[in-house]
Amino acid sequence: DQQVKQNSPSLSVQEGRISILNCDYTNSMFDYFLWYKKYPAEGPTFLISISSIKDKNEDGRFTVFLNKSAKHLSLHIVPSQPGDSAVYFCAASALLNDMRFGAGTRLTVKP
Amino acid sequence: DAGVIQSPRHEVTEMGQEVTLRCKPISGHDYLFWYRQTMMRGLELLIYFNNNVPIDDSGMPEDRFSAKMPNASFSTLKIQPSEPRDSAVYFCASSLRMTGELFFGEGSRLTVL
Repeated sequence: DQQVKQNSPSLSVQEGRISILNCDYTNSMFDYFLWYKKYPAEGPTFLISISSIKDKNEDGRFTVFLNKSAKHLSLHIVPSQPGDSAVYFCAASALLNDMRFGAGTRLTVKP
Repeated sequence: DAGVIQSPRHEVTEMGQEVTLRCKPISGHDYLFWYRQTMMRGLELLIYFNNNVPIDDSGMPEDRFSAKMPNASFSTLKIQPSEPRDSAVYFCASSLRMTGELFFGEGSRLTVL
């Protein structure tokens, strides 16, 4: 079963604008959430994370928002750059349990 | 500092053949994970180890798949016999903690004809 869902397989934005990638989860026990970025022919690399005790975490151009009541998190990239074009995976884990990933969203940032 | 190392990077084989994928985790990491990436399901967890012991293999598709970790620096994922539907990219990842950041290898792209 897909406990972590990324319903948008792709997203295209213009350079300089905001990119918003969404993720929904079903397991209320998840308490730690991460975003990974993946370029072609490479493994995913960690981007940013958030604990369930927070509702926002910011790192430079990247901000992750968590809405626990809606079981929803989002990744905002501002401003978007062509180098941000990649597949973004949302991941979630619960204490002592393994990490589950969404299917990914392919972001294309057009110059 | 070397990251997670996987081999082979690419494997093309015929249906029915045995396939062995290899992984060397980052030294000192206690957790090792095998994931499979497909277009339809994204990244699926197949199995993970803690201190070389398999903890959860519920994601292994069927008995044709097996994984071992004979020591802290080496793991294998074996498919025997392979089938075309096994074609995917297989990733190995390691981490210090169960819920910590995962460090992924570059993946092994498997094509079964």
